[in-house]
Amino acid sequence: QVQLVQSGAEVKKPGASVKVSCKASGYTFTSYPMHWVRQAPGQRLEWMGWSNAANGNTQYSQDFQGRVTITRDTSASTAYMELSSLRSEDMAVYYCARGRGSYSLDYWGQGTLVTVSS
Amino acid sequence: QSALTQPASVSGSPGQSITISCTGTSSDVGSYNLVSWYQQHPGKAPKLMIYEGSKRPSGVSNRFSGSKSGNTASLTISGLQAEDEADYYCSSYAGTTTLIFGGGTKLTVL
Repeated sequence: QVQLVQSGAEVKKPGASVKVSCKASGYTFTSYPMHWVRQAPGQRLEWMGWSNAANGNTQYSQDFQGRVTITRDTSASTAYMELSSLRSEDMAVYYCARGRGSYSLDYWGQGTLVTVSS
Repeated sequence: QSALTQPASVSGSPGQSITISCTGTSSDVGSYNLVSWYQQHPGKAPKLMIYEGSKRPSGVSNRFSGSKSGNTASLTISGLQAEDEADYYCSSYAGTTTLIFGGGTKLTVL
């Protein structure tokens, strides 16, 4: 069965960077794009960007352009999302989600809580 | 990026039907039949309920249906059940390989 398992919770200081991993299993990793979505406490889902797992091409939301980098390691079937210059407003649960050709997200990771605090 | 517009909350009694709207623009919802709907229970990851506007993934109850008219997409839940109480989010392809989510709607089953 398809599973996306994310790395554990992180605590970071303002200005630092965080890198979240997402290990995929149960399907051919390079056949589906991987999206990243975040959700601040009590807030809506926010799309951050996606990576073509086959060739590594990426597209980012304008809201995160310049601060987010999505990469992948095909040999490990793992996707990564790195967010830099963290501020308090970046405190959120970060999700990876497998994309379909229709830009729907059919499988989600369990989420990774990132806390930003001095 | 602005979010798609959803009502903050809707409610209904068991057995009733409710509809949640999702209003975008001619650049997203109105231009593509690529609206998805997600259900999210507290503390859980979202679950895909509808894709491509009206298609249901395997395993999703046929009580859930989707439609679109112009710049507004809709999710209808018929035969409301207690377990349907959750937050619901719409999303749409927004061109240039980007995605946009709605503000979310809290469904209360009375």
